[in-house]
Amino acid sequence: DGGITQSPKYLFRKEGQNVTLSCEQNLNHDAMYWYRQDPGQGLRLIYYSQIVNDFQKGDIAEGYSVSREKKESFPLTVTSAQKNPTAFYLCASSISRGSEKLFFGSGTQLSVL
Amino acid sequence: AQTVTQSQPEMSVQEAETVTLSCTYDTSENNYYLFWYKQPPSRQMILVIRQEAYKQQNATENRFSVNFQKAAKSFSLKISDSQLGDTAMYFCAFMRANFGNEKLTFGTGTRLTIIP
Repeated sequence: DGGITQSPKYLFRKEGQNVTLSCEQNLNHDAMYWYRQDPGQGLRLIYYSQIVNDFQKGDIAEGYSVSREKKESFPLTVTSAQKNPTAFYLCASSISRGSEKLFFGSGTQLSVL
Repeated sequence: AQTVTQSQPEMSVQEAETVTLSCTYDTSENNYYLFWYKQPPSRQMILVIRQEAYKQQNATENRFSVNFQKAAKSFSLKISDSQLGDTAMYFCAFMRANFGNEKLTFGTGTRLTIIP
């Protein structure tokens, strides 16, 4: 089945530690996105990528980094510079940047120890 | 900047009844898309329905329909014959046409509970 796989489902971070969230898609989509979801708030865009080896900052990119070395993969690193990392992280993809149909993964809950 | 407002943080309704979730938005654009997404307890976001602003006809998907009032900038979701599986967070979202998905703006959500 085609889809988006996020791992792990739950992740814990210690103070000063970088952690990486995985996002893999087998939909052959060009565009991929990372969103952050906090309680009582809508989704906010962290980073997006239109094509391999290219990515752009979203609305809340500070403290995060990404890479897009393969079309299928768009990992998100939460760095120690992100002072409030506890949130639910959702990865999404679309056929192209202009396609209004987004497909979402099942998310990763990140908590701070 | 576009804003999306969902003024009902929580709602509940008896199974088999009809419920309407409200959404208003603010934009100066004339061409755009509106969406309702469902986030069940599994937390995966699922597209429920979409509306293109240039279409006057309200979108419908089985038991889900919208009331799109462009002049009022209102986009409500009606769920008919509600089922237990409809229990979820519902997010309204807006996207300008001819722009990328990075311009997708979400509301803060409405938590809907279907009571058996």
